[in-house]
Amino acid sequence: QVQLQESGPGLVKTSETLSLTCTVSGGPVSRAGNYWSWIRQTPGKGLEWIGYIYYSGTTNYNPSLKSRVTISVDTSRNQFSLKLRSVTAADTAVYYCARDGQYGSEYYFDYWGQGTLVTVSS
Amino acid sequence: EIVLTQSPATLSLSPGERATLSCRASQTVNSYLAWYQQKPGQAPRLLIYDASKRATGIPARFSGSGSGTDFTLTINSLEPEDFAVYYCQQRSNWPPDTFGPGTKVDIK
Repeated sequence: QVQLQESGPGLVKTSETLSLTCTVSGGPVSRAGNYWSWIRQTPGKGLEWIGYIYYSGTTNYNPSLKSRVTISVDTSRNQFSLKLRSVTAADTAVYYCARDGQYGSEYYFDYWGQGTLVTVSS
Repeated sequence: EIVLTQSPATLSLSPGERATLSCRASQTVNSYLAWYQQKPGQAPRLLIYDASKRATGIPARFSGSGSGTDFTLTINSLEPEDFAVYYCQQRSNWPPDTFGPGTKVDIK
């Protein structure tokens, strides 16, 4: 059974960088056919996909966040990470990591972490 | 970016009743649509993918239908554990994939 767990600071200062790590257990992040995503949720904007990474390092980001986001993977630690630069209060959200599992010709989020609340404040 | 609209925003029903939830896309997503269930304090859970296929372990009372721009999630005979928020998500034209705003199914 695949499990994901987010970790990182729950409070980030305005204009600084939000950094989160997702630790995966129950299967390797390097398994072919799976992508690994970050998603966030706010009361105002709902669920918002941030981006994904493949174990090879290939990434794809939401255009609305692309200029501020970097997702990386560490296969030796079975982890992937999110960095979001120049944060504002609008980046306050519950951040989830999730696996994009392949279902037929598409990918859907079939395993999720429990989520971690990150608050941005001065 | 494809915009997903869900209706109604809230559905008040009693256990044993049928719930019918709607998701409409601003342009065609073919059948690349998923439904997720989210309970308070939990992450979303994949229920339906490719518009009509149940994910592993999902009870048969959950069914999905539709293609193109109009989709429906039906929950036959609501169980107490089914009262939650339901989101649709499209994976047809991405990035970005997008989610609907959700429908809350609560107890009448």
